[in-house]
Amino acid sequence: AQTVTQSQPEMSVQEAETVTLSCTYDTSESDYYLFWYKQPPSRQMILVIRQEAYKQQNATENRFSVNFQKAAKSFSLKISDSQLGDAAMYFCAYRRHTGANNLFFGTGTRLTVIP
Amino acid sequence: DVKVTQSSRYLVKRTGEKVFLECVQDMDHENMFWYRQDPGLGLRLIYFSYDVKMKEKGDIPEGYSVSREKKERFSLILESASTNQTSMYLCASSLNTYNEQFFGPGTRLTVL
Repeated sequence: AQTVTQSQPEMSVQEAETVTLSCTYDTSESDYYLFWYKQPPSRQMILVIRQEAYKQQNATENRFSVNFQKAAKSFSLKISDSQLGDAAMYFCAYRRHTGANNLFFGTGTRLTVIP
Repeated sequence: DVKVTQSSRYLVKRTGEKVFLECVQDMDHENMFWYRQDPGLGLRLIYFSYDVKMKEKGDIPEGYSVSREKKERFSLILESASTNQTSMYLCASSLNTYNEQFFGPGTRLTVL
């Protein structure tokens, strides 16, 4: 079974600074998808960024980028120029490439942005 | 924009009651999912459905059942609610196997 580990229950960052959230996963498959979801206090889960395992290039989405290290099974999220609105729970998730497309989630990292 | 709605934001029930949590999506998505979210455990899959009247067990199906009579609606049923089912319940949907999941706002269920 796939497992996703987020070893940082809480992180904080000064506004306008950069923060990196860690995620590792375990799988025997060679093709899969990885995601970072954001859950603000309103509770609505929002997709931040996704990465296909077959793509070597790291995904970027405005101030959000990932560092995907396939051999190390590591998928970290970097948030640049942090804003107050970035404060939320962040979940790393894994999905198989074929077959059932349910997500396997990590336990989450609560990010606090300090003004 | 895709919209996934859940019938209640907060729900309080008593032990032994039958509880229905409703989820509706408006984008003709094939796949729908029910997750349970608990502090320190992340989200865990309860059930999912690929199509009308189809359902598959997830990681923690015990104590739950589901119903999908119409494509847009996926219901989670607690036949006899217990206190250990106090949790946040999140519904999600995706167009098909290859597309991202969109989540509803969640229902915080308390079982007394």
